[in-house]
Amino acid sequence: EAGVAQSPRYKIIEKRQSVAFWCNPISGHATLYWYQQILGQGPKLLIQFQNNGVVDDSQLPKDRFSAERLKGVDSTLKIQPAKLEDSAVYLCASSSYRDRGPGNYGYTFGSGTRLTVV
Amino acid sequence: SQKIEQNSEALNIQEGKTATLTCNYTNYSPAYLQWYRQDPGRGPVFLLLIRENEKEKRKERLKVTFDTTLKQSLFHITASQPADSATYLCAPVTGRRALTFGSGTRLQVQP
Repeated sequence: EAGVAQSPRYKIIEKRQSVAFWCNPISGHATLYWYQQILGQGPKLLIQFQNNGVVDDSQLPKDRFSAERLKGVDSTLKIQPAKLEDSAVYLCASSSYRDRGPGNYGYTFGSGTRLTVV
Repeated sequence: SQKIEQNSEALNIQEGKTATLTCNYTNYSPAYLQWYRQDPGRGPVFLLLIRENEKEKRKERLKVTFDTTLKQSLFHITASQPADSATYLCAPVTGRRALTFGSGTRLQVQP
């Protein structure tokens, strides 16, 4: 099966500019996640979607970050305006679990978008 | 607050030896624990999942243990190879919440 697709692979922007990342999950996976991974740290959850509804966005900096998942498939994550501390890798993952919880399934991650804010 | 601790120092071992990585957690009561491998420039790859009622799980050269009393999971790679060099992440799972990852331990296997 095809993996999780993300684009772009790399992005360099100046602070205060805006940027958007795109993710196409594995076909049929109802749950989609966006994680932020700063160099030397583990991935940190930004937002979780179940189909096209938000399940958890408690760690999303809503004053500058936004995300949507139209029609329960593709998703976009936007940052506006970007700050220097947003420099990180943004990972998209999907999972096939529905009601049984993530304890039964591993996540499939994309390769990520490396964002550098200068 | 909930905390996941993995050894931040890189683990260097010789090819053929067994690598043992540790994942400790506090203020958690996970029902499951997952382990992932991450190579530079790539997303994490799911390796193994162990449930709280399973003391040990094996997959080829990999073995994971889960001690809910010690609040610890150990990840072993037997007969390690240079291709096993990567960062390994653990993620205790509680309920239906999304995974929270440790910071990972980098393993370097010397030929």
